[in-house]
Amino acid sequence: GENVGLHLPTLSVQEGDNSIINCAYSNSASDYFIWYKQESGKGPQFIIDIRSNMDKRQGQRVTVLLNKTVKHLSLQIAATQPGDSAVYFCAEEDTGRRALTFGSGTRLQVQP
Amino acid sequence: EPEVTQTPSHQVTQMGQEVILRCVPISNHLYFYWYRQILGQKVEFLVSFYNNEISEKSEIFDDQFSVERPDGSNFTLKIRSTKLEDSAMYFCASGTGSIGELFFGEGSRLTVL
Repeated sequence: GENVGLHLPTLSVQEGDNSIINCAYSNSASDYFIWYKQESGKGPQFIIDIRSNMDKRQGQRVTVLLNKTVKHLSLQIAATQPGDSAVYFCAEEDTGRRALTFGSGTRLQVQP
Repeated sequence: EPEVTQTPSHQVTQMGQEVILRCVPISNHLYFYWYRQILGQKVEFLVSFYNNEISEKSEIFDDQFSVERPDGSNFTLKIRSTKLEDSAMYFCASGTGSIGELFFGEGSRLTVL
């Protein structure tokens, strides 16, 4: 796959546990944030998004938290499954320019 | 489920050659993008395209790169004279609005020798 993990932080969890993946962003003008999942050899897959006027958003088994004060974003995955194993990227966008800036990714390994 | 499709899945070319990567975005989408990912690195924005023109491009997208929507379905990325450092996975993406979910294709791997 594309993310051979040369310097990727890795989070290893047991199946059924909750996972928390963190991301720091740099652009205080960013007003839209997205989490993507990338499995080996595939393109990024949208998981969940959040706009800057919110601090929490929930999806199916996933929750995104946004702390604009410290420019921090997190993705919580409940009851992690082996199929959740992938590299997770946060991405930010300043809607003044329609272009996503991706973070460097975190590899999630789910142990059965 | 509709998806973004890209061809070729893998292309090997000699340095200095021209390469065209093709994408078929999702049919009702209006915003189109190219991103690239060098092996082991993060995904990087190249260019966005809307209403038949480039709306945004990064510093990576220099004069060697061009994009085109030659018909109602295809969206292409051309690299005029490839360099070794152009070796990467190139992802096409499309979306319905100026903000919101982007759908990515599976990528085209370009290897420049």
